Amino acid sequence: AQTVTQSQPEMSVQEAETVTLSCTYDTSESDYYLFWYKQPPSRQMILVIRQEAYKQQNATENRFSVNFQKAAKSFSLKISDSQLGDAAMYFCASQGMNRDDKIIFGKGTRLHILP
Amino acid sequence: DAGVIQSPRHEVTEMGQEVTLRCKPISGHNSLFWYRQTMMRGLELLIYFNNNVPIDDSGMPEDRFSAKMPNASFSTLKIQPSEPRDSAVYFCASSRGQGGEKLFFGSGTQLSVL
Repeated sequence: AQTVTQSQPEMSVQEAETVTLSCTYDTSESDYYLFWYKQPPSRQMILVIRQEAYKQQNATENRFSVNFQKAAKSFSLKISDSQLGDAAMYFCASQGMNRDDKIIFGKGTRLHILP
Repeated sequence: DAGVIQSPRHEVTEMGQEVTLRCKPISGHNSLFWYRQTMMRGLELLIYFNNNVPIDDSGMPEDRFSAKMPNASFSTLKIQPSEPRDSAVYFCASSRGQGGEKLFFGSGTQLSVL
């Protein structure tokens, strides 16, 4: 069974600094998808970034990038130039390649941005 | 597009009462998911549908929970009878149904069972 582990329940970062959120996962699949979702105080979950495991290149979306280490089953999220609007819960998730595969979420990391 | 629409946004009820949560997915999306979020357990997948058919309901906690999707534009999650431990935020999400697709979430229903 797939599992996703986020070992940091909470983190804080100074505005404009860089922060890295950790995520490890376990899967027996050789190909799969990995995601980071953001849940701001408004509660609605939003996709931040997506990575296909068969691609070696790390995904990047503006200030957000990932460090994908397939052998280590690690998928960390780096946020550069942190902004107040980045304060939220961040969830790491994984999904198999088949259309009926479940999306499994980690328990989340609450990120605080210090002004 | 209005996005995934859930109602009600908040629900307060007494133990033993029936609760029905509603969801309208994004038009054209083939997959619909119901999640429950609590502090202790995080985000749990309860059930999901592809083309209105339930694919996996192994996350439904017990027989008190049931979900239906009578058509492509509407789904319900019902709890009967409700218990205090059901208090949580319930999310509905939809996607185009292909592997690796982005999930679009609703704003959730905050359920409090007294």
